[in-house]
Amino acid sequence: DIQMTQSPSFLSASVGDRVTINCKASQNINKYLDWYQQKLGEAPKLLIYNTNSLHTGIPSRFSGSGSGTDFTLTISSLQPEDVATYFCLQHNSGWTFGGGTKLELK
Amino acid sequence: EVQLQQSGAELVRPGTSVKLSCKVSGDTITAYYMHFVKQRPGQGLEWIGRIDPEDDSTKYAEKFKNKATLTADTSSNTAYLKLSSLTSEDTATYFCTGYYYSGPYYFDYWGQGVMVTVSS
Repeated sequence: DIQMTQSPSFLSASVGDRVTINCKASQNINKYLDWYQQKLGEAPKLLIYNTNSLHTGIPSRFSGSGSGTDFTLTISSLQPEDVATYFCLQHNSGWTFGGGTKLELK
Repeated sequence: EVQLQQSGAELVRPGTSVKLSCKVSGDTITAYYMHFVKQRPGQGLEWIGRIDPEDDSTKYAEKFKNKATLTADTSSNTAYLKLSSLTSEDTATYFCTGYYYSGPYYFDYWGQGVMVTVSS
């Protein structure tokens, strides 16, 4: 099974900061990496699919990059409504989530 | 618009089983691969498995092969997750999710989640 290692597990940043979250796969997953945002008490919400495609309705401050085994979610200018937990998900071979990154405001 | 509606919260005894439902509205369930995801309190997400309601074929994560059973009822447009031999480790919120059979293959539709509490 493919393992996904997500870092950091916790992140504190200020409004306007550039934020990056990383996911590393235990083997090549090509481009099949998605990013989800989950707010407290809600279901996850798709942000980015297939590494770098922005889902409909998602603000352009969110972007994704990477290939193979190393992937990054970037928030270019953190907004208060971005406080949430973020998960990566690989679907190249089966489905595996990363451990999550809890993002809070400093 | 496709919507997934899950059944209500469950309080169940250890050693028993529970069957959770996920009803699809806005389209026919046979057009979707249906997946279930587990989230323990304050923890991350775990993929449990998926079912193709068109032919009832299933695929499970290794750790859930003896724990979870996925079924679907096309007449009621509903997918089910049965969890057996429940322990405190099964206390969690369970989400259903899915995508259209021909893609794109991302989880765009989600149920609201159902909390299962295993306690004597």
